[in-house]
Amino acid sequence: NAGVTQTPKFQVLKTGQSMTLQCAQDMNHEYMSWYRQDPGMGLRLIHYSVGAGITDQGEVPNGYNVSRSTTEDFPLRLLSAAPSQTSVYFCASSRQGPGNQPQHFGDGTRLSIL
Amino acid sequence: KQEVTQIPAALSVPEGENLVLNCSFTDSAIYNLQWFRQDPGKGLTSLLLIQSSQREQTSGRLNASLDKSSGRSTLYIAASQPGDSATYLCAVPNAGGTSYGKLTFGQGTILTVHP
Repeated sequence: NAGVTQTPKFQVLKTGQSMTLQCAQDMNHEYMSWYRQDPGMGLRLIHYSVGAGITDQGEVPNGYNVSRSTTEDFPLRLLSAAPSQTSVYFCASSRQGPGNQPQHFGDGTRLSIL
Repeated sequence: KQEVTQIPAALSVPEGENLVLNCSFTDSAIYNLQWFRQDPGKGLTSLLLIQSSQREQTSGRLNASLDKSSGRSTLYIAASQPGDSATYLCAVPNAGGTSYGKLTFGQGTILTVHP
């Protein structure tokens, strides 16, 4: 009964470091997405994917890369971390897109960039 | 660009009260409206999804209504309990988008229910 699993739960990075936030779902969902949540800004879409091999940009994609090689996994890569990327990151999935289906969210990764 | 606003930003009530949370959106061309709950340090949990053709959805003590023409939705919580304390968010898929559109979220209402 795992649902959407995000790892790590917490991470501290130095400016300029790179890292990958992992997201996996076991519900065979085609649609997966990444959001960041910041005080006063709410949740904003970073990237999304409608299926394996297909990704697209959301509202705030700069500084982030994604790929979708399998249905289950949708990792988010920070190529060169910046303090502005300090945030809580959420991964979400659904069988189809949000036009039809409620989104299932992971518990988030809390990322601090020093 | 779709904008979603939630009022009030915070609400504190005694246990047992019925309460209403409000959500408004600027573009009425939506596919659905979704209400979520977020507990501190946790992700979002889907509560209700109202399709654009529907007026209401109910789940237990929760009732959500949708008036697409006026760009408004309300979440009604009956007989509130301390366990209802959380942040409540509404979200709509990107106006004019496909089924794979992008969700636009409101800023949320922080609800505290006192014993």
